[in-house]
Amino acid sequence: AQSVTQLDSHVSVSEGTPVLLRCNYSSSYSPSLFWYVQHPNKGLQLLLKYTSAATLVKGINGFEAEFKKSETSFHLTKPSAHMSDAAEYFCVGNADNDYKLSFGAGTTVTVRA
Amino acid sequence: DGGITQSPKYLFRKEGQNVTLSCEQNLNHDAMYWYRQDPGQGLRLIYYSQIVNDFQKGDIAEGYSVSREKKESFPLTVTSAQKNPTAFYLCASSGVGAHGGQYFGPGTRLTVT
Repeated sequence: AQSVTQLDSHVSVSEGTPVLLRCNYSSSYSPSLFWYVQHPNKGLQLLLKYTSAATLVKGINGFEAEFKKSETSFHLTKPSAHMSDAAEYFCVGNADNDYKLSFGAGTTVTVRA
Repeated sequence: DGGITQSPKYLFRKEGQNVTLSCEQNLNHDAMYWYRQDPGQGLRLIYYSQIVNDFQKGDIAEGYSVSREKKESFPLTVTSAQKNPTAFYLCASSGVGAHGGQYFGPGTRLTVT
């Protein structure tokens, strides 16, 4: 069974500085991996997805993530944080042809002015 | 606009009453899902349906029921048997196998007193 671990429960950054959210996965076979963002009292919005094509995935709002099989990681980055990036971020995995997703516990991002 | 709609956004009920949450999608997705989100606990899968007239229990199905009579609709009933129904409920949909990711609705916040 696949599981996803987000290594940080909370990340605080200053506006204009880089953001790094860490995610490791465990799987016996190639997964599909996703990053979602959730603002308070809203649904989850898909930021980007990895489905075994390019290992560097570009998403919306300037976010990107790199799939590293040797490290079983799928970290999310953004070069310059904006106040609107303050939200909860979920790393999510999906084994081949499995309808059930494996959710990380979430990382809360705070952006300081 | 294509997407997933959930109604209502906020719902209040008295203890002992059944309540039905609506979820509609026009993405032509085969699969639909219901999640529950509680503070600090991430998302937990209640039920999912891969195809019309078929559905499976997720991790926390007790006290809930669903139906899937139409491809576009997947209503969730929170019954009086659910011991802690107050939560944020999220509906999602996906293509076959969900390897392209799931797309989420805006959520319904249910408060039972």
